Amino acid sequence: NAGVTQTPKFRILKIGQSMTLQCTQDMNHNYMYWYRQDPGMGLKLIYYSVGAGITDKGEVPNGYNVSRSTTEDFPLRLELAAPSQTSVYFCASSTAGWTGELFFGEGSRLTVL
Amino acid sequence: GQQLNQSPQSMFIQEGEDVSMNCTSSSIFNTWLWYKQDPGEGPVLLIALYKAGELTSNGRLTAQFGITRKDSFLNISASIPSDVGIYFCAGLAPPGNQFYFGTGTSLTVIP
Repeated sequence: NAGVTQTPKFRILKIGQSMTLQCTQDMNHNYMYWYRQDPGMGLKLIYYSVGAGITDKGEVPNGYNVSRSTTEDFPLRLELAAPSQTSVYFCASSTAGWTGELFFGEGSRLTVL
Repeated sequence: GQQLNQSPQSMFIQEGEDVSMNCTSSSIFNTWLWYKQDPGEGPVLLIALYKAGELTSNGRLTAQFGITRKDSFLNISASIPSDVGIYFCAGLAPPGNQFYFGTGTSLTVIP
């Protein structure tokens, strides 16, 4: 069972470069999320989506963009990478409703130099 | 965003000891989840709680959904070395489309 798959696992960017973190899930979940995790910190929500064509900002959206053209895919784009975006990024998905359980990918470690 | 206060921040215990950690919020949650994260991995769900007062076990792990719906507790009995990791609580608050996370409890088990 694949679950939530993220690529790439590691990436080094130069300041000002752009890139897209890919996320796909095969559980037919409506809800998908992008979190970032800084050292010694909890997870901060960047963007989320409650279904194809619908996205919304989380707690820390600045510097990021997302799209949700299909139920399966939820890519995260960094337009002008900054050192403050050095972090580990996690994609997650869940079913809707109060019994929804959140399932995570393995993470993408991004370093901006 | 919602703030979840998780304590303790870190624990160093001897193998075989029991562990307790908790998570509190200033707001009510309708769902509480507990996760474990190993180094270099994504968080893995341990226990999910859906009802105030609910007590749920998963092997040596037991978690409770507080009666006030503003807190949750996780206990690990007879700890073993593979329990090492970071434990996170997460809550799902109205309107039910965002999960909020605690800052984590780092557990070290000394053999």
